[in-house]
Amino acid sequence: EAGVAQSPRYKIIEKRQSVAFWCNPISGHATLYWYQQILGQGPKLLIQFQNNGVVDDSQLPKDRFSAERLKGVDSTLKIQPAKLEDSAVYLCASSLVSSGAGEQFFGPGTRLTVL
Amino acid sequence: ILNVEQSPQSLHVQEGDSTNFTCSFPSSNFYALHWYRWETAKSPEALFVMTLNGDEKKKGRISATLNTKEGYSYLYIKGSQPEDSATYLCAFGNQGGKLIFGQGTELSVKP
Repeated sequence: EAGVAQSPRYKIIEKRQSVAFWCNPISGHATLYWYQQILGQGPKLLIQFQNNGVVDDSQLPKDRFSAERLKGVDSTLKIQPAKLEDSAVYLCASSLVSSGAGEQFFGPGTRLTVL
Repeated sequence: ILNVEQSPQSLHVQEGDSTNFTCSFPSSNFYALHWYRWETAKSPEALFVMTLNGDEKKKGRISATLNTKEGYSYLYIKGSQPEDSATYLCAFGNQGGKLIFGQGTELSVKP
């Protein structure tokens, strides 16, 4: 079974530029998550989708971050414009069920550096 | 604000040593506790999902215990090997599927 795919793996941009990350979850997984992991901290949930609807985006900085999950499969996360503090690893995860007891399967992440 | 704390932040051990880490979380409204292992440049990998007070889970040389009444979980590694070097993350799972992670324990095992 193929795992969660993410691209790109690494990205370096200047502040105020835009960037987009792509995620392809495990086939059949209805729930998709985007996490931000800043160095020295644990991953923080940015947004949770159930199919193509948003379940939780309470910690998404909506003035600069946006995310969509068209057709309930692939998802993209965009930052526009980027700030220095956005330097982090962006992890995508998917799960079969939307439950705190359900295992989440993670992709390898995109490491973003903002200069 | 729900807070998940892990200790220690980092640990350096010799091959063959046994080690353990702690994860502390709020004891009220407990739903699930997850342990993940994250090796550099790889995807975080689920080790255990624990839901019941007193739960003990084991996978090879790694085991975990759960105390929901006092709000802590221990992860044990018996006879550490260099390939165990990774960051170990615990996460509190709520009913809706959200995971709140601790900051992780970075383990380094020297041959």
